[in-house]
Amino acid sequence: SQKIEQNSEALNIQEGKTATLTCNYTNYSPAYLQWYRQDPGRGPVFLLLIRENEKEKRKERLKVTFDTTLKQSLFHITASQPADSATYLCALDRGSTLGRLYFGRGTQLTVWP
Amino acid sequence: DTGVSQDPRHKITKRGQNVTFRCDPISEHNRLYWYRQTLGQGPEFLTYFQNEAQLEKSRLLSDRFSAERPKGSFSTLEIQRTEQGDSAMYLCASSYGTADSNQPQHFGDGTRLSIL
Repeated sequence: SQKIEQNSEALNIQEGKTATLTCNYTNYSPAYLQWYRQDPGRGPVFLLLIRENEKEKRKERLKVTFDTTLKQSLFHITASQPADSATYLCALDRGSTLGRLYFGRGTQLTVWP
Repeated sequence: DTGVSQDPRHKITKRGQNVTFRCDPISEHNRLYWYRQTLGQGPEFLTYFQNEAQLEKSRLLSDRFSAERPKGSFSTLEIQRTEQGDSAMYLCASSYGTADSNQPQHFGDGTRLSIL
């Protein structure tokens, strides 16, 4: 079965620094890899999607990389702000017509002033 | 707001009772998903609809669980004879997908179920 590991349960960084979150997966190679943000008591909110043939994707202060050889994705938030504090979830999509997502446990990011 | 809507937001019930949750997806989305999330874990897939057809069910979905999506619009998830282990957040998501591609899923804010 698919196994997704996110590097740590919690990451604490100072405002202005770059946060780097890691997602490693085993077994099947996903066609897509997605990152979501989740705030307490709320549903996940989609942030970025990267395809298996893409190395890097950017959106404003966010950057995602995808290394299918290492079976790893890195998610970066540059110039982090306290408002970035949330749980970040990595999700794999195997690209079949089913479209179900396999989620990691998430990394809780805290950005302190 | 035209996002995914779930009702109720919270449900408290006694063990053994039946509960039903409703999800209203984004109107132009043809795919609808149910996930379950427990504290400290990521969402786990339960079931998936494309239009009105239920195309996949997880092994997590015991025979006490049933989901419907009549006419390919809203969906309901029913749990019969609830057990303590059913306590969780039940999330609904929708997306638009074709045979060639999947679009990102948009999630509702979930229904939090507590079993007394």
